[in-house]
Amino acid sequence: DAGVIQSPRHEVTEMGQEVTLRCKPISGHDYLFWYRQTMMRGLELLIYFNNNVPIDDSGMPEDRFSAKMPNASFSTLKIQPSEPRDSAVYFCASLERGEDTQYFGPGTRLTVL
Amino acid sequence: GENVEQHPSTLSVQEGDSAVIKCTYSDSASNYFPWYKQELGKRPQLIIDIRSNVGEKKDQRIAVTLNKTAKHFSLHITETQPEDSAVYFCAASIGVDYKLSFGAGTTVTVRA
Repeated sequence: DAGVIQSPRHEVTEMGQEVTLRCKPISGHDYLFWYRQTMMRGLELLIYFNNNVPIDDSGMPEDRFSAKMPNASFSTLKIQPSEPRDSAVYFCASLERGEDTQYFGPGTRLTVL
Repeated sequence: GENVEQHPSTLSVQEGDSAVIKCTYSDSASNYFPWYKQELGKRPQLIIDIRSNVGEKKDQRIAVTLNKTAKHFSLHITETQPEDSAVYFCAASIGVDYKLSFGAGTTVTVRA
C-alpha cells in the first residue's frame, strides 16, 4: 500500500486566494483526520470523518475553512479566502476501525504571502 | 475536552545515555496513549503505544509506562543513538471516537 497520499506537497499562494488540499487515505480505512501543525500551536485536529461523514469539526478555526469527503478514497480541505496566518503544515491521517494507529500522510506545507 | 501536557520541551542527551519524556492527561476516560516520532520535515510516525489496561510496554530500546491513578505516562529511550534525534509527541484518546489530543512535543537531540 502506498500509504496516505497528500497533494500538493508544497503550496505558495497570495492572501485572498482559495487553497485546496487533497488527501487519499489508505484503502480500507474508514476514519480520516485533518490536522494543522505550527510551531506556536503544535498539532491541532481540525476535523475528522467516519465513513465519509464529518463527525467533529470543532477544530476548524473559522468559516473560511471547509472540508469534504465525497467518497471513501478522497477528501479535500479548502481555505477561502486564505490569510498569512493559515501558513502551516497540514496533515491528513487515516485509521481502520478496530485498530488504534493513525497513519499520517507526508503533509502539505502551505505558505500564504 | 482532553488536555495533554508534555515535558520537557527540549532534551539534550549524550549518545548512549537514556532519555525520558513525561506527559500528563486530564480526562480519566482516556484509555489509549500513543507516542509519535517526527523527524525534521517528515510526517509523525507511531513508535509505541499503550492501552490503559497495561502498565508498561517495551519494544527494543523504547518503553512506555502508564500510571492511571496519577494520569501520567512516560516514554523511555535507552542507549540513545544519533538517529533518535527528532521531535516526540505523546497523545491520548478516549478511544471510542479515535480522536487524539497531542502534547506540545519534545525536541530530543542526541550528542555524539
